[in-house]
Amino acid sequence: EAQVTQNPRYLITVTGKKLTVTCSQNMNHEYMSWYRQDPGLGLRQIYYSMNVEVTDKGDVPEGYKVSRKEKRNFPLILESPSPNQTSLYFCASRTLAGGIETQYFGPGTRLLVL
Amino acid sequence: GESVGLHLPTLSVQEGDNSIINCAYSNSASDYFIWYKQESGKGPQFIIDIRSNMDKRQGQRVTVLLNKTVKHLSLQIAATQPGDSAVYFCAENMGTSYDKVIFGPGTSLSVIP
Repeated sequence: EAQVTQNPRYLITVTGKKLTVTCSQNMNHEYMSWYRQDPGLGLRQIYYSMNVEVTDKGDVPEGYKVSRKEKRNFPLILESPSPNQTSLYFCASRTLAGGIETQYFGPGTRLLVL
Repeated sequence: GESVGLHLPTLSVQEGDNSIINCAYSNSASDYFIWYKQESGKGPQFIIDIRSNMDKRQGQRVTVLLNKTVKHLSLQIAATQPGDSAVYFCAENMGTSYDKVIFGPGTSLSVIP
């Protein structure tokens, strides 16, 4: 089954404690992306990657890092989480040959930073 | 700034009635629009799209209307069913970037059995 998986699905942490949210896709997609979703603001893009070792900032990259060492994985790293990073996070992927409408979204990771 | 917004944050409809979800966009350069459905605990799912050279597009039970004059987009769901209960997002793409998609804040649709 074609899917994007994220782990963990729920996470409560404290300010300053480094954390990583993993994202994996089994569709051999070149393009992967991270979004955060906040009430009243919709989804905003954090980082994206067009292929292995190719990453770039989205609209709200501050406080986040990503890496793309393998095609299937695109982890989101919060080196020093702060309460304003409390949010719902979505990973997405698609093939570059496909349009935006072909993007698959993961199930989401709900993060609470105390 | 440029943004995509929804007129109604919540909408309740009776099962079997038609639903209309509205969206306003401010970027006249946007040439591609998408509607997403997000069910509780899941990621957004593509429903239907429309390009700026069209004013109407129909899918299965869904129709998207685009009015470029007033920069307005709507999603019509015919014979709304309980399974249609979800949050619906409109999104726009300006065409200058393959990936630059701006999402609206979402409208929550509740279907009353």
